[in-house]
Amino acid sequence: AQSVTQPDIHITVSEGASLELRCNYSYGATPYLFWYVQSPGQGLQLLLKYFSGDTLVQGIKGFEAEFKRSQSSFNLRKPSVHWSDAAEYFCAVAPSSNTGKLIFGQGTTLQVKP
Amino acid sequence: DVKVTQSSRYLVKRTGEKVFLECVQDMDHENMFWYRQDPGLGLRLIYFSYDVKMKEKGDIPEGYSVSREKKERFSLILESASTNQTSMYLCASIGLQGNGNQPQHFGDGTRLSIL
Repeated sequence: AQSVTQPDIHITVSEGASLELRCNYSYGATPYLFWYVQSPGQGLQLLLKYFSGDTLVQGIKGFEAEFKRSQSSFNLRKPSVHWSDAAEYFCAVAPSSNTGKLIFGQGTTLQVKP
Repeated sequence: DVKVTQSSRYLVKRTGEKVFLECVQDMDHENMFWYRQDPGLGLRLIYFSYDVKMKEKGDIPEGYSVSREKKERFSLILESASTNQTSMYLCASIGLQGNGNQPQHFGDGTRLSIL
């Protein structure tokens, strides 16, 4: 069965430090991969997506993610974290190409220290 | 921009009540989804609909039903609310254009408390 794992439930970084959030997926074919962010009290906002082509994907708010097929990973990175990045981050995979259904990871809560 | 609107941000209901959560999207999207979000569990799919009057069970449909009488509106129904249904509920929609590589668009969520 397809699954998505975010190994880190909670991460704390200092403002200005670099960030990497991990995501591993289990899926037979090349999946469609997404990162979403959820600010407190809000719905989910798309940060970036990977379908094919260049394995390094640029997103909004200065985020990027790298697809590594050999490691079944799609880690999210940001070179310098801002206090406004504090939120919950979800990795998701679309296992089917004709329904739009998503399988989500458990989420990683990011706390930013001043 | 796509707008997905959930009718209530916060809702408090009593055990045994029939509860309706409403979701409306304004982009003529074919597919709509209801998720439940709980700490440490991420988002879990309750039901989705791929057309008017069409629905399919997700991963956790027990205790829930849905209704889609019009393309823009997708309702989640708790037939007899129980305390273990206290949660955040998120609605989403997607316009497929024949493939699944479009992102889902989410509403702001309804935080439901069952007392």
